[in-house]
Amino acid sequence: DQQVKQNSPSLSVQEGRISILNCDYTNSMFDYFLWYKKYPAEGPTFLISISSIKDKNEDGRFTVFLNKSAKHLSLHIVPSQPGDSAVYFCAASPYSGNTPLVFGKGTRLSVIA
Amino acid sequence: NAGVMQNPRHLVRRRGQEARLRCSPMKGHSHVYWYRQLPEEGLKFMVYLQKENIIDESGMPKERFSAEFPKEGPSILRIQQVVRGDSAAYFCASSPPTVAGGLAATYNEQFFGPGTRLTVL
Repeated sequence: DQQVKQNSPSLSVQEGRISILNCDYTNSMFDYFLWYKKYPAEGPTFLISISSIKDKNEDGRFTVFLNKSAKHLSLHIVPSQPGDSAVYFCAASPYSGNTPLVFGKGTRLSVIA
Repeated sequence: NAGVMQNPRHLVRRRGQEARLRCSPMKGHSHVYWYRQLPEEGLKFMVYLQKENIIDESGMPKERFSAEFPKEGPSILRIQQVVRGDSAAYFCASSPPTVAGGLAATYNEQFFGPGTRLTVL
């Protein structure tokens, strides 16, 4: 049973436009959500996170939105750059502190120049 | 400050052999997590360790897999009698100790290593 779902395996966006990556979850116990970015042959790199007590967190070109009632979050990248081309993983955790993460399958973003 | 280190980066084994994957956490980090990524899949949690203790091994297969994080040295993920289905990328992540006190607990971000790609022939 997949608790974190990324239903779009891939996404193509033109350089300068907005990229929107979506993530849905089923476990209402999840309290903390993260986005990781992964290049080929490298480990995931932390990008941005959000606690369940918030509905938005912004860091430069990256903004994460959380809709708890819909169990949905999204990552917005604006403006998109060719260097953003990577696989993006949504991850969730049931509580704060040190705890394992539950990952989605990832969305491959291609930013076309 | 060096990041999380994993070795080897690539490991080839024949069916029935043993695979040993090593992970050195970031300096000051006392929590280690192992995840496995099968082709076209997300990362799946395997085991969570602190120094000399296994905290959560709910994601570990019941047989052939074991993990340790000794007082000195790296964390080791050991796979005995490997089979073709064990072929995957294995990632290690580390995080700092939880800070006691304060008004609210904060999430400790996990920092990932580059992974070990295991191929079983």
